[in-house]
Amino acid sequence: EAGVAQSPRYKIIEKRQSVAFWCNPISGHATLYWYQQILGQGPKLLIQFQNNGVVDDSQLPKDRFSAERLKGVDSTLKIQPAKLEDSAVYLCASSLDTYIEQYFGPGTRLTVT
Amino acid sequence: KNEVEQSPQNLTAQEGEFITINCSYSVGISALHWLQQHPGGGIVSLFMLSSGKKKHGRLIATINIQEKHSSLHITASHPRDSAVYICAVFLGGNLIFGKGTKLSVKP
Repeated sequence: EAGVAQSPRYKIIEKRQSVAFWCNPISGHATLYWYQQILGQGPKLLIQFQNNGVVDDSQLPKDRFSAERLKGVDSTLKIQPAKLEDSAVYLCASSLDTYIEQYFGPGTRLTVT
Repeated sequence: KNEVEQSPQNLTAQEGEFITINCSYSVGISALHWLQQHPGGGIVSLFMLSSGKKKHGRLIATINIQEKHSSLHITASHPRDSAVYICAVFLGGNLIFGKGTKLSVKP
C-alpha cells in the first residue's frame, strides 16, 4: 500500500513570495490533515478535511494560508505572502476517518529567508 | 501549560540499554499515539492505544487512563532507534502533540 505522498520535499523562498505544497493521501482515506511543525515543537493542526469539506480550520492563519481538497482526494496548501515565521516542516496526514490512526507523509521543509 | 508533557526532552543511551520515555496529559482522551520522527521530518506511527499495553518487536507502549500517563519502552536499544519520539493524544477528533523526546543511541 502506497503511503502519503508530499511534494516538494524542500523549498526555500524569500519573504513575501508565494508557495504551494501538494499532498496525495492513502487511497480510500476520507480524512486529510495539514500540520505545521516549527523546529523543536510538536506538530500543530492547520486544517482538517473530511472528504472535500473542511472540518476544522480554526488554527489556519486565513489571511495568508489557504487549502483545498478538490474531489476529496489530493490537497494543496498555499501560503501567500510568506513570512519568516512560516519556516517549518509542513506535514500532511490521512486516516480512514476521524478518531482513527493517522498516517503521515514525509513532510515539506520550508525555509523563508 | 501544554496539555501533553513528555519527559525527558533529550535522552542519550548506549547501545543495548533499556529506554523509557514518558508522556503525561491533562485532559480526558479517547486514545493516544506514539510516533517516531527521523531527521528529515517524516513521521511514522508506532502505536495507537486506549488501554493496557501493546508490543511490536523491541517496542512496548503502556497507558494508564486513570493516571493520564503513558510510557514507551525500547528494549536492547540500537543506534537506528535514534529519532524524536512524539506522544499525541486524541481530543475531540484532533491530535494534540507533545514536543517530543530526542533519543540518541550511541554504539
